[in-house]
Amino acid sequence: DQQVKQNSPSLSVQEGRISILNCDYTNSMFDYFLWYKKYPAEGPTFLISISSIKDKNEDGRFTVFLNKSAKHLSLHIVPSQPGDSAVYFCAASARNAGGTSYGKLTFGQGTILTVHP
Amino acid sequence: NAGVMQNPRHLVRRRGQEARLRCSPMKGHSHVYWYRQLPEEGLKFMVYLQKENIIDESGMPKERFSAEFPKEGPSILRIQQVVRGDSAAYFCASSPRNGGDIQYFGAGTRLSVL
Repeated sequence: DQQVKQNSPSLSVQEGRISILNCDYTNSMFDYFLWYKKYPAEGPTFLISISSIKDKNEDGRFTVFLNKSAKHLSLHIVPSQPGDSAVYFCAASARNAGGTSYGKLTFGQGTILTVHP
Repeated sequence: NAGVMQNPRHLVRRRGQEARLRCSPMKGHSHVYWYRQLPEEGLKFMVYLQKENIIDESGMPKERFSAEFPKEGPSILRIQQVVRGDSAAYFCASSPRNGGDIQYFGAGTRLSVL
């Protein structure tokens, strides 16, 4: 039961162009979404997040878009740099009626991004 | 400000032995989470702990696996009588005292079962 899906196992882009990574989810209880970046032999590093009350959040070169009706989010990286080459994971969490996080994150399978010089 | 510290980074065990993985959360964080990543897969939630309490262990296998986060010292993930299928990367994450959705991860422990 894959509640968070990243359907593209890999993505290759040229340096300076835009990278768009996609993520779909099925659980309507998810209301907070995160993107993590992971290099080989390291732990995931938090990149950017978005609450379900927003449809866009921007931080420097990284922008996350959320389409709740489609249960879809995307991460845009522009301009892409060779150092962005890594595995990108989408993750989601839910909160209880009081607004407290349940704690657990549900991750997608990851997308390998390769940025060519 | 030290991040989440996990040790050992690599652990090799023979089938039937016990594996003990340690995690020290970031300073000021009292919520600890354990995840497992099998080859070619995403991270799968195992257990969520606060000091001396297991909050959610819905992702833990029913047998052989246990976790604790004592009042003093690191969180421990313990796997008894390891089997080859336990070979994976185990990641620990922590979040601040007031909870919150952003979790900060350690570098992981790579367990290999021979």
